[in-house]
Amino acid sequence: SYVLTQSPSVSVAPGETARIACGGSNIGSKSVHWYQQKPGQAPVLVVYNDRDRPSGIPEQFSGSNSGDTATLTISRVEAGDEADYFCQVWDSSSDHWVFGGGTKLTVL
Amino acid sequence: QVQLMESGGGLVKPGGSLSLSCAASGFTFSDQYMTWIRQAPGKGLEWVAYISSGGSIVYYADSVKGRFTISRDNLKNSLYLQMNSLRVEDTAVYFCARGGNRMMDHWGQGTLVTVSS
Repeated sequence: SYVLTQSPSVSVAPGETARIACGGSNIGSKSVHWYQQKPGQAPVLVVYNDRDRPSGIPEQFSGSNSGDTATLTISRVEAGDEADYFCQVWDSSSDHWVFGGGTKLTVL
Repeated sequence: QVQLMESGGGLVKPGGSLSLSCAASGFTFSDQYMTWIRQAPGKGLEWVAYISSGGSIVYYADSVKGRFTISRDNLKNSLYLQMNSLRVEDTAVYFCARGGNRMMDHWGQGTLVTVSS
């Protein structure tokens, strides 16, 4: 089955740029979606189809996808961006949705 | 605005059954695929199942196939998850979400299912 790999944690200072990676075999050929989840809350879609933002999501959030790595980039990080971030793809070989293990973003 | 409200969670013994519901509003429910996702305490997200807009297409995670059944009632704007032969490892918050053939763009707040003797 298809596996998505995320680093458990990323730390960044306020105002800096956070990059959260999601690794998978030839993930560049798939559409990647990203979700933000704050403690005790439901996940929120922040990027879909590799790089598109739903309405209401600030331009700080952007995405890219190529080769074996997809990346969620958060510019000008604020304390309010501290959360867990999950990547997701559809694995057509198994007809399953797959989530990465999640990355905890800490704002120093 | 899109609203999804799960209900039906609770405490159940191993081997028992539980039925979850998700009431939808703020969009044309019958046009949308719907999905169940769960999250064990302190763990990541795990996709459980999805169902097509008309209900004819369903997919399940291997971990629940044969034990869980996803269904919907488009007249009642409701999504369901019938869970049988529950195991301790099924303990999780269960979320319903809009979408399934593409990204999940709206999620409910979740309902907690605890399987314990």
